Amino acid sequence: EDQVTQSPEALRLQEGESSSLNCSYTVSGLRGLFWYRQDPGKGPEFLFTLYSAGEEKEKERLKATLTKKESFLHITAPKPEDSATYLCAVNFGNEKLTFGTGTRLTIIP
Amino acid sequence: DTEVTQTPKHLVMGMTNKKSLKCEQHMGHRAMYWYKQKAKKPPELMFVYSYEKLSINESVPSRFSPECPNSSLLNLHLHALQPEDSALYLCASSQEQWGGTQYFGPGTRLTVL
Repeated sequence: EDQVTQSPEALRLQEGESSSLNCSYTVSGLRGLFWYRQDPGKGPEFLFTLYSAGEEKEKERLKATLTKKESFLHITAPKPEDSATYLCAVNFGNEKLTFGTGTRLTIIP
Repeated sequence: DTEVTQTPKHLVMGMTNKKSLKCEQHMGHRAMYWYKQKAKKPPELMFVYSYEKLSINESVPSRFSPECPNSSLLNLHLHALQPEDSALYLCASSQEQWGGTQYFGPGTRLTVL
């Protein structure tokens, strides 16, 4: 069964303290890996799409990378407004997204 | 523009009521989705419409009835819901049917009394 696992479940960082979130998946014909940010009570906000190993994308303080079995979301010098739940989702070759359980990120001023 | 809109933002209904959730996108996307999300859980897929035809129904109870009147609109009709159906209901759309990026709406917070 295709699975997506995110770690850590929760992460607390001081403002300016860089770190990485991990998303690993079963290697089974990946058709795309997606990162979303979700604030409480709101819909997921699209961040990045990655399709092939070695691909990297950046947006402001965020950088997403992809290998053959995992993806990292690197957060550089985070600010309190970066606090949110970050969701990773994988398309294994059908119309569905398989979501990880998310990483709840808290940035402390 | 990658906007998906949903109405209403909040909905409170009794178990005997009939209500509808609405979703709209004007990005020319041909696939649209309904998800249900409980607190601190990832979204769970309910239905997929592809080219206005229902292509996936994830064994959702019949008290949830989807409808796709045209390529821009998606409805979810609700009837005889249970308190455990209270959740955030999310609509999403994607350009490609297979593997494309899904863009989500802001959601409807549903409370069933």
